[in-house]
Amino acid sequence: VQLVESGGGIVQPGKSLRLSCAASGFTFTNYWMHWVRQAPGKGLVWVSRINGDGSSTTYADSVQGRFTISRDNAKNTLYLQMNSLRAEDTAVYYCARIHMLAAWDWGQGTLVTVSS
Amino acid sequence: ENVLTQSPGTLSSSPGERATLSCRASQSVSSNYLAWYQQKPGQAPRLLIYGASTRATGIPDRFSGSGSGTDFTLTISRLEPEDFAVYYCQQYGSSSITFGPGTKVDIK
Repeated sequence: VQLVESGGGIVQPGKSLRLSCAASGFTFTNYWMHWVRQAPGKGLVWVSRINGDGSSTTYADSVQGRFTISRDNAKNTLYLQMNSLRAEDTAVYYCARIHMLAAWDWGQGTLVTVSS
Repeated sequence: ENVLTQSPGTLSSSPGERATLSCRASQSVSSNYLAWYQQKPGQAPRLLIYGASTRATGIPDRFSGSGSGTDFTLTISRLEPEDFAVYYCQQYGSSSITFGPGTKVDIK
């Protein structure tokens, strides 16, 4: 199993960014996928989840209405579209594969910095 | 939202000692929905325990999980040098997932 995030970088407050997570080594469409973030020096915070066919999504209150999770099963890729970014969204963003109600596999993370 | 509280915040121990980490939930958690992770600096988290007490693949048997309802425990029977890290509990709810704030296990 391999998960590789990309798309992070420095962005100004109010702007948008799209993260990607390329998955391999498993049947992507069979698994729920999550995004989890970690602000510098802080703990883990769940962001969003999506089911295997993309028909069901859930968001943390802190990102509801600003972030959109999606997936392209033909490309084995998970996405997180982040709009109206705020300084408090600064974090390393991890994608994770969910199995047996736990995150079995994680990517290496991609850093998003929101700063003017 | 089901808030998880972990204690202690930091546990200072020596290699070979037993470590007991606590995770308390504000609402009852089904045992199937409680997991523990280990994270070392600069690394992604690693799943240790799922379903409150089942070790993930490749996890040494010195790690064990127990508990039910609102009180869960991760026990490391004999600390190895590579076990000094931060440990998080996580509950998987129907509408959201929450992590505890973490327990740092450092070398005394």
